[in-house]
Amino acid sequence: SQQGEEDPQALSIQEGENATMNCSYKTSINNLQWYRQNSGRGLVHLILIRSNEREKHSGRLRVTLDTSKKSSSLLITASRAADTASYFCATDRGEAAGNKLTFGGGTRVLVKP
Amino acid sequence: DVKVTQSSRYLVKRTGEKVFLECVQDMDHENMFWYRQDPGLGLRLIYFSYDVKMKEKGDIPEGYSVSREKKERFSLILESASTNQTSMYLCASRPFWRQDEKLFFGSGTQLSVL
Repeated sequence: SQQGEEDPQALSIQEGENATMNCSYKTSINNLQWYRQNSGRGLVHLILIRSNEREKHSGRLRVTLDTSKKSSSLLITASRAADTASYFCATDRGEAAGNKLTFGGGTRVLVKP
Repeated sequence: DVKVTQSSRYLVKRTGEKVFLECVQDMDHENMFWYRQDPGLGLRLIYFSYDVKMKEKGDIPEGYSVSREKKERFSLILESASTNQTSMYLCASRPFWRQDEKLFFGSGTQLSVL
């Protein structure tokens, strides 16, 4: 079963708009990570937020984490056509779960020029 | 730059063939992982390895085996390929001894079993 579930499954926006996607998970975590995948390629790490953090920024990315609701959101501000990709959340439950990450189904983002 | 290299970008095999997918990392990472990715299902963990000669089953190990004879290399083996193993296979690695570590991914191998 998947630990993380992204919502929405797909998102289409105009260049310059903001894109928001959400991730829900089921059990307690050490950290939550967001990855990006360009079509047919491997995943690239974007940002990591620890369980004791509530918000984190990296360039045009903003991630929030609400451990009471077991959810996270990724916001991409002022989107560009180059942001077109699939975005995945992944939960890390630490040594208790064998130090492995569990991924959700992803959100496909299309940014139209 | 860190690098995870998967030996083949595209692979076409026949049902019943034995298939080897190779992954090499140059970062001296202890942990290595094999995932498969299918539309709508995200990434599912097949096997992972903590260190040389160590392996652990992931969520969907049936029909697969792995080999880790050297630290830098982690091989995924399909003993007798079947059409339902047609998928994108992704290898990843990360260090073991630090917490809060990200995964480094290879570019993926798109396997088609006919």
